[in-house]
Amino acid sequence: GAVVSQHPSRVICKSGTSVKIECRSLDFQATTMFWYRQFPKKSLMLMATSNEGSKATYEQGVEKDKFLINHASLTLSTLTVTSAHPEDSSFYICSAKRGGTSVHEQYFGPGTRLTVT
Amino acid sequence: KQEVTQIPAALSVPEGENLVLNCSFTDSAIYNLQWFRQDPGKGLTSLLLIQSSQREQTSGRLNASLDKSSGRSTLYIAASQPGDSATYLCAVIGNTPLVFGKGTRLSVIA
Repeated sequence: GAVVSQHPSRVICKSGTSVKIECRSLDFQATTMFWYRQFPKKSLMLMATSNEGSKATYEQGVEKDKFLINHASLTLSTLTVTSAHPEDSSFYICSAKRGGTSVHEQYFGPGTRLTVT
Repeated sequence: KQEVTQIPAALSVPEGENLVLNCSFTDSAIYNLQWFRQDPGKGLTSLLLIQSSQREQTSGRLNASLDKSSGRSTLYIAASQPGDSATYLCAVIGNTPLVFGKGTRLSVIA
């Protein structure tokens, strides 16, 4: 199977600090990774798409200077929430698309619960 | 712009009932459609993926159908169990990354 991990699973931070979330594809190379955000009782909203070795493409309304995405290798993408505020508290989920295949399937990580106090 | 709608938003059924969850999408130019399950506070579990050339997929008590031309998919759950209680999300991949519906919150009462 295709396994995607996220670390940490939960994080609590103080307002004004930065938090980094890691997304790893454990048993496959992910040419593309996606970051989603989910508010309570809402569906997932795509934040950005990242391709290995290039800049991320952000969805409209997502601040790229606030949500820094780095896709440094074929198995790792990171999302850094800079100068976090309570309104950034949310559930962040990453997914990865396997490279070298025409099947458009994404494999999801377990998510990271961010609480900003 | 692709929009995905799921009906009903919430559903409560007694244990043992068969049930159908509905998903519709506005742009039929999709690569595939995927059904997920999400338990409260947890991530997504992929249930079934239907490629655009397929009409249905089955896994255990679950059966998902796809009618791409009409922009509809259904998830059929047979003989529901309390452990099936969760939110079920459908998502489509087209020329944009996955677009999710808002989900159907299912409660199966013992």
